Amino acid sequence: NAGVTQTPKFQVLKTGQSMTLQCAQDMNHEYMSWYRQDPGMGLRLIHYSVGAGITDQGEVPNGYNVSRSTTEDFPLRLLSAAPSQTSVYFCASSYSEGMNTEAFFGQGTRLTVV
Amino acid sequence: AQSVSQHNHHVILSEAASLELGCNYSYGGTVNLFWYVQYPGQHLQLLLKYFSGDPLVKGIKGFEAEFIKSKFSFNLRKPSVQWSDTAEYFCAVRDNDMRFGAGTRLTVKP
Repeated sequence: NAGVTQTPKFQVLKTGQSMTLQCAQDMNHEYMSWYRQDPGMGLRLIHYSVGAGITDQGEVPNGYNVSRSTTEDFPLRLLSAAPSQTSVYFCASSYSEGMNTEAFFGQGTRLTVV
Repeated sequence: AQSVSQHNHHVILSEAASLELGCNYSYGGTVNLFWYVQYPGQHLQLLLKYFSGDPLVKGIKGFEAEFIKSKFSFNLRKPSVQWSDTAEYFCAVRDNDMRFGAGTRLTVKP
């Protein structure tokens, strides 16, 4: 049981490049989400999904796309990276309902856009 | 969507001092409340959660939190902090999605 796995751990991009941050969970959680963490701003929700085939926008969705073709995977795509997207990105998963809705987090991806 | 306010940006305490970190969320209804801790260079880990029932919840490492519905608050407490509690603490509320506060950095001086 690996939990939530994010790849890569570190990435440097040039402005305008595209890339996909990978996230996979093996806990059969319906709910998955992406956050970015910036100093003094906590974690801000980018996109989330309540199940395969369903995604929705969070607080800061601009510049990011997501898809959820399977329960396990929830990739985050940057189509044209900008320096403002330099951040640490965390993927999280949880059950959608009931008493166990706490989020389990991946180890994070530190992204630098130059 | 909910928003979460954490009142303290940076708290500095000496070992054995008592801790209380404030957290307020924006509106009522059925919500799940959480406190997470992030040690330097690591991902967030759950400290405790409130779902329903007893508004005083106990978590790991001697932390507890009290849910006060009338104040939309969920403050975190610990009677006696240790140097190893140095970390960043995040309050979160779960409604349709999960939103986090800006975090409180706790520094405990030995």
